[in-house]
Amino acid sequence: EVQLVESGGGLVQPGGSLRLSCAASGFTFSSYEMNWVRQAPGKGLEWVSYISSSGSTIYYADSVKGRFTISRDNAKNSLYLQMNSLRAEDTAVYYCARLVHSGYLFDYWGQGTLVTVSS
Amino acid sequence: DIQMTQSPSSLSASVGDRVTITCRASQSISSYLNWYQQKPGKAPKLLIYAASSLQSGVPSRFSGSGSGTDFTLTISSLQPEDFATYYCQQSYSTPSITFGQGTRLEIK
Repeated sequence: EVQLVESGGGLVQPGGSLRLSCAASGFTFSSYEMNWVRQAPGKGLEWVSYISSSGSTIYYADSVKGRFTISRDNAKNSLYLQMNSLRAEDTAVYYCARLVHSGYLFDYWGQGTLVTVSS
Repeated sequence: DIQMTQSPSSLSASVGDRVTITCRASQSISSYLNWYQQKPGKAPKLLIYAASSLQSGVPSRFSGSGSGTDFTLTISSLQPEDFATYYCQQSYSTPSITFGQGTRLEIK
């Protein structure tokens, strides 16, 4: 059974940092491209970042470029999101999602981890 | 970025009703359109991909159609478990994929 389990969320002050993790199981993690997608409270879905299966190709949404860093450790079946210079508008539930390149669709999602940026 | 606009933003319907949700892209996206269902406090779930293909395990009462800029998600006979929020997602302009703002389907 495919499972994605996020962790690392919490309350952080503006300007602070946080590192999210996503533990994958039930599939060959190193074969899949992965993404982070976020959802502000009561709002819609926003794509945040993409990483290729090997980690060699990375993309970011303009809203987080220069502040967030996506990475992965295929030996540990884990995906990460390092978030620096956090702003109030980064408050959201952050989901890791597995990408199926054919169709560019997200077929499995984690349960999400809440990041709250507030003083 | 390609803008995705869903209508209506919210919808009230009864069990057994036929419901249609529309998604419009700001430019042609061919059939690069996916639909997701999200229930409160849960992650989104893939329903339809490539505009009209049903994801494995999804009930056949869900169907999708359209191409170019205009797409629809239809639920042929609403069931109690279908009350949720639905999102479309364009997969034409990658990696900067974008979602619609969502359509909240409520019980009448």
